[in-house]
Amino acid sequence: EPEVTQTPSHQVTQMGQEVILRCVPISNHLYFYWYRQILGQKVEFLVSFYNNEISEKSEIFDDQFSVERPDGSNFTLKIRSTKLEDSAMYFCASSEEVRQVEAFFGQGTRLTVV
Amino acid sequence: GNSVTQMEGPVTLSEEAFLTINCTYTATGYPSLFWYVQYPGEGLQLLLKATKADDKGSNKGFEATYRKETTSFHLEKGSVQVSDSAVYFCALRGAGNNRKLIWGLGTSLAVNP
Repeated sequence: EPEVTQTPSHQVTQMGQEVILRCVPISNHLYFYWYRQILGQKVEFLVSFYNNEISEKSEIFDDQFSVERPDGSNFTLKIRSTKLEDSAMYFCASSEEVRQVEAFFGQGTRLTVV
Repeated sequence: GNSVTQMEGPVTLSEEAFLTINCTYTATGYPSLFWYVQYPGEGLQLLLKATKADDKGSNKGFEATYRKETTSFHLEKGSVQVSDSAVYFCALRGAGNNRKLIWGLGTSLAVNP
């Protein structure tokens, strides 16, 4: 069964460093998403991406964040200068257009900023 | 704006007990409603969904009915198993072109043998 894959599963980085979280969405999907879950809090929407551009973003997704689909298979989330409060589980998701209402999620990347 | 309120956990049950996890929502129009499950060490998996009022989503013995009149989507299972131990998330997707999911806080379920 096709699945969304995320790497790495756990990333530890120093405050101020740049991190790139990687995702390979399901191959025929057209919508891509990033969500995050800070420990003990709700899952929060960060950004959605369609047709090679951001279709929606939340207040959390400020200038420190960016997304890219560099090669037609990967979908990346970059945090330019990490802060302690960026520590969270980051989930990538994808969905087909039109027929599907649900999104399929990867296993997540746990980002720890120290 | 849209929001989801979910019963707080943790919930601890004995095997074969009846499970209910309450979920209510606030939304304009007719959202789609979902239950996702997160087993220990794993990602978020879609458990079931309902896209219009009075729809019943079901999967793996779990059920939830989209109740427009009470703005609810409660998750139920008649007889839980140890393997159902997980965190359960209620979520909604707004009507129209708004595709992002709005999530509840999650309810941790522990089933003891």
